[in-house]
Amino acid sequence: QKEVEQNSGPLSVPEGAIASLNCTYSDRGSQSFFWYRQYSGKSPELIMSIYSNGDKEDGRFTAQLNKASQYVSLLIRDSQPSDSATYLCAVLLYSSASKIIFGSGTRLSIRP
Amino acid sequence: DAGVIQSPRHEVTEMGQEVTLRCKPISGHNSLFWYRQTMMRGLELLIYFNNNVPIDDSGMPEDRFSAKMPNASFSTLKIQPSEPRDSAVYFCASSPQVTGELFFGEGSRLTVL
Repeated sequence: QKEVEQNSGPLSVPEGAIASLNCTYSDRGSQSFFWYRQYSGKSPELIMSIYSNGDKEDGRFTAQLNKASQYVSLLIRDSQPSDSATYLCAVLLYSSASKIIFGSGTRLSIRP
Repeated sequence: DAGVIQSPRHEVTEMGQEVTLRCKPISGHNSLFWYRQTMMRGLELLIYFNNNVPIDDSGMPEDRFSAKMPNASFSTLKIQPSEPRDSAVYFCASSPQVTGELFFGEGSRLTVL
C-alpha cells in the first residue's frame, strides 16, 4: 500500500461547479496534511494545510480531514478555468522522523 | 524576498557524466528537501536536512546519488555516474521548520542521453 494515494484523474468539472479531490494515507499517527497545486511545467505551491478533524475553509477552497478514516479531501467551489492543474496531497508522516510524502496527484480540468 | 533558487534550470548530459544540482534555500529556513518528479513515479522524496544535518536519505535511489548541505544557505545533489533513468525534474524545497509547508524552487530538468 502506498503511503499517500490519490486518484490520478483526469477529473473534468464544468466551470462554476464544485470540484472534489480525495486522498487517503496509511500512517495512522500522522497529524499534518497539505494540498499543493502544480501547474504544468511549474513547481508545486501550497494552497491549504489542515491539522484537525473537520473542515477548514479559505476562500473558494475547503479542506476536509477525517483521521479515523485516514482521508483528506479538497473542495473547490465555483471552479474556474485557472483552477485547471494537478493537485498533490502531502502528509507529514508521524512514523518517519517528519518525512513529507506526496501522493501522485490528481489532474483537474475545468471545462468552460 | 527571494524564493528557493535552483541551478541549473536545464541540464542535458551524456550517460556516465557527473551531474551537480544546486539549491539555495530561503534565508531563515532550517529544513531542506530534495525531491525528484517523473510522470511514472510522481514526486519522490530523495533526502532531507534539518539544520544542515541529513535526517533521512532512504529515498536516494542508489550510491550514485549523494547530497550535501555544507551550510544553511547551500545544498548540492550529485549524481555520478549519471544514467538515462535519472532523467527527471529535481526540486529543492525549504521550510522554516518541518511543518509540511514547503516552498519549492523552480526545479532542475535533467536529461541524460
